[in-house]
Amino acid sequence: DVKVTQSSRYLVKRTGEKVFLECVQDMDHENMFWYRQDPGLGLRLIYFSYDVKMKEKGDIPEGYSVSREKKERFSLILESTSTNQTSMYLCASSRQGAIWAGELFFGEGSRLTVL
Amino acid sequence: KQEVTQIPAALSVPEGENLVLNCSFTDSAIYNLQWFRQDPGKGLTSLLLIQSSQREQTSGRLNASLDKSSGRSTLYIAASQPGDSATYLCAFRGAGSYQLTFGKGTKLSVIP
Repeated sequence: DVKVTQSSRYLVKRTGEKVFLECVQDMDHENMFWYRQDPGLGLRLIYFSYDVKMKEKGDIPEGYSVSREKKERFSLILESTSTNQTSMYLCASSRQGAIWAGELFFGEGSRLTVL
Repeated sequence: KQEVTQIPAALSVPEGENLVLNCSFTDSAIYNLQWFRQDPGKGLTSLLLIQSSQREQTSGRLNASLDKSSGRSTLYIAASQPGDSATYLCAFRGAGSYQLTFGKGTKLSVIP
């Protein structure tokens, strides 16, 4: 079975602090994604990566950056958190074929609260 | 812009009933459509993926269908159980797009 592991399930931070969310997948997938999920807004794509060191902006990249130094690992960085970044963050991965072809697998999510 | 709609937003049924969840999309140029389940506070679990060339996919008590001409997909759950209670989301991928567009989900409650 595909396993996507997010390092932190729950985090509480103060405004202005830096947050580093890590995601690791064990199925050698080429594509990795970061979403956030908010009540009433659904899932929104922040960034995705289709290869090591490659990244593409999604719908809401402002205030976020990402890093993909190894194929299995995709990190989401919030350099200076704000209260409007309180959310559930979900990492996902899929196999290449075409970037749009693969079945998407999600991690358990990281619930971030910014005070 | 692509829109994905799931109606109703919430559904409550007695245990044992067969039920259908609906997903509609506005763009006929579909590549595939994926159904997910999400339990409270958890990530999404993939249930079924239907490619644009397929009309349906089955997994156990679940059957997903795709009608491109009408812009609809349905998820059929047979003999529902309390353990099926969750939010079900559909996600549309358009031809030539890397992005999935998600519906807001249908929250299903199966009453024992």
